[in-house]
Amino acid sequence: AQTVTQSQPEMSVQEAETVTLSCTYDTSESDYYLFWYKQPPSRQMILVIRQEAYKQQNATENRFSVNFQKAAKSFSLKISDSQLGDAAMYFCAYKTGYALNFGKGTSLLVTP
Amino acid sequence: GAGVSQSPSNKVTEKGKDVELRCDPISGHTALYWYRQSLGQGLEFLIYFQGNSAPDKSGLPSDRFSAERTGGSVSTLTIQRTQQEDSAVYLCASSRRQGRLGTDTQYFGPGTRLTVL
Repeated sequence: AQTVTQSQPEMSVQEAETVTLSCTYDTSESDYYLFWYKQPPSRQMILVIRQEAYKQQNATENRFSVNFQKAAKSFSLKISDSQLGDAAMYFCAYKTGYALNFGKGTSLLVTP
Repeated sequence: GAGVSQSPSNKVTEKGKDVELRCDPISGHTALYWYRQSLGQGLEFLIYFQGNSAPDKSGLPSDRFSAERTGGSVSTLTIQRTQQEDSAVYLCASSRRQGRLGTDTQYFGPGTRLTVL
């Protein structure tokens, strides 16, 4: 079974600063996808960024980027120039079949 | 276009009662998923529908849980004889298509918060 571990239950960052959220996963598969989802208090899961395992280049989406280390099975999310609206739960997820396997989440607090 | 919608937003029920939760996927999306989010278990996959194929029910926690998808669109998740441990947020997601390594992103609805008293 695949497992996804987010070792940081809570993180805090000041506005305009950079923060990195950690994620590791365990799998024996070679082809898979990795995702970061954001869940604000509204409960709706919003896709932040995704990475295909066969791609060596790290994915980026505006202020969000990942550091994908396939051999180490690590997939961290970097948020640059943090904004108050970035405050939310962040979930790392892994997919090789139909379903997403989620980590427990990291609560990100953004302070003015 | 419109996103995934779910109803009701919140549901409070008494132990032993049956409940139905509804999901309306994004138009044109053939794949539909149900997940459960609870404090103790985190986010868990429940069931997956792809077009007219038989659903993957491997994530359903007990036979009290069932789901159907009518006309390849709207889905209903039914929980019979609810228990307090069923209290959770039930999230629905849809995607355009899906294969074993389907690349399409899953888009989530706002969820239904179920409270069983």
